[in-house]
Amino acid sequence: EVQLLESGGGLVQPGGSLRLSCAASGFTFSSYVMNWVRQAPGKGLEWVSYINGNGDTTYYADSVKGRFTISRDNSKNTLYLQMNSLRAEDTAIYYCATAHSTAWYRFIYWGQGTLVTVSS
Amino acid sequence: DIQMTQSPSSLSASVGDRVTITCRASQTFSNYLNWYQQKPGKAPKLLIYTAFTLQSGVPSRFSGSGSGTDFTLTISSLQPEDFATYYCQQSYTTPPTFGQGTKVEIK
Repeated sequence: EVQLLESGGGLVQPGGSLRLSCAASGFTFSSYVMNWVRQAPGKGLEWVSYINGNGDTTYYADSVKGRFTISRDNSKNTLYLQMNSLRAEDTAIYYCATAHSTAWYRFIYWGQGTLVTVSS
Repeated sequence: DIQMTQSPSSLSASVGDRVTITCRASQTFSNYLNWYQQKPGKAPKLLIYTAFTLQSGVPSRFSGSGSGTDFTLTISSLQPEDFATYYCQQSYTTPPTFGQGTKVEIK
């Protein structure tokens, strides 16, 4: 059974940093691309970032480019999102989602999400 | 970026009703169109990909159609467990973008 378990969310002040993790199991992690998708409270879905299977190709939404860094450790079956210079508008539930290497943005499996709140 | 516009934003329907949700893209991209269902407090779930292909395990009352810029999600006979918010999403290009969602409520 595919499982994705996010962690690392919490309350952080504007300008602060946070690192999210997504622990994967039930599939060959290194064979799948991974994405982060977020959802502000009561709002719709927004794609955040993409990373390929071996971690050497990444893409970011313009809203987070230069502040967020996606990475993965295939030996630990874990995906990360390092978030710096956080803003109030980054407040959201952050989901990790898998996709096939031939369909990067078809989000097949999702984690349960972790809430990030940016507030003073 | 490709803008995705869903209509309606919300609808009220009864169990057994046929429900149709439309999604329009700001530019054409063949059939790289996915539909997701999200229930309150839960992660989204992939229902349909490449415009009309049902994801494994999704009931056959769900169907998708369309191409180019206009796409449709149809629920042939609404069931109690189908009350949720539905999102379309283009997976054609970076950044992938979602519609604003359509909330299906009980009449």
